[in-house]
Amino acid sequence: DSGVTQTPKHLITATGQRVTLRCSPRSGDLSVYWYQQSLDQGLQFLIQYYNGEERAKGNILERFSAQQFPDLHSELNLSSLELGDSALYFCASSALTGNTGELFFGEGSRLTVL
Amino acid sequence: AQSVTQLGSHVSVSEGALVLLRCNYSSSVPPYLFWYVQYPNQGLQLLLKYTTGATLVKGINGFEAEFKKSETSFHLTKPSAHMSDAAEYFCAVRGTGGADGLTFGKGTHLIIQP
Repeated sequence: DSGVTQTPKHLITATGQRVTLRCSPRSGDLSVYWYQQSLDQGLQFLIQYYNGEERAKGNILERFSAQQFPDLHSELNLSSLELGDSALYFCASSALTGNTGELFFGEGSRLTVL
Repeated sequence: AQSVTQLGSHVSVSEGALVLLRCNYSSSVPPYLFWYVQYPNQGLQLLLKYTTGATLVKGINGFEAEFKKSETSFHLTKPSAHMSDAAEYFCAVRGTGGADGLTFGKGTHLIIQP
């Protein structure tokens, strides 16, 4: 158990809809990362938050957005969903202070867009 | 920007044989390097990491990796494969500057033949 919790584990929805994925980082970790894993693209970095502030952006679509709340949990919002958004979405956390870059991953949220 | 290349999207070995999964990195600064394993329907679990110091790094489940700066490589090995080692393996390099997440290779699917 990594200590990172993601909900829901599975989600099936239709094209055009909007979903929210939730992540609770490990206790004490200030940094949260979102990754998308698909068969054709592999593991793609989407976005990083540190202590409530956006720190880095990767290959995140404009239809996607994220935020990190004062209690450090994070949400990834996916809107106007397309078939190609079907993927496994991972959240990971790390402690930046004195860290060696290791990320701890949740078990993922599997999104299926029909 | 950092990147990693994993040679071989699929590697098949016999049970009891040597496992060798190849990873080459590209980095303009001394890298932090990682190997993660993903079992079916699970998140990513850290196998081992190289930060500084000893170039031969031992990880969990009998795996080890050697950092070779002259070859920009960080290959993963295990002397004797077990059926339980069948999984997807990812090599990753840590980012620098504003983004300190990980950049992953495309993964290598390890198949263990009985």
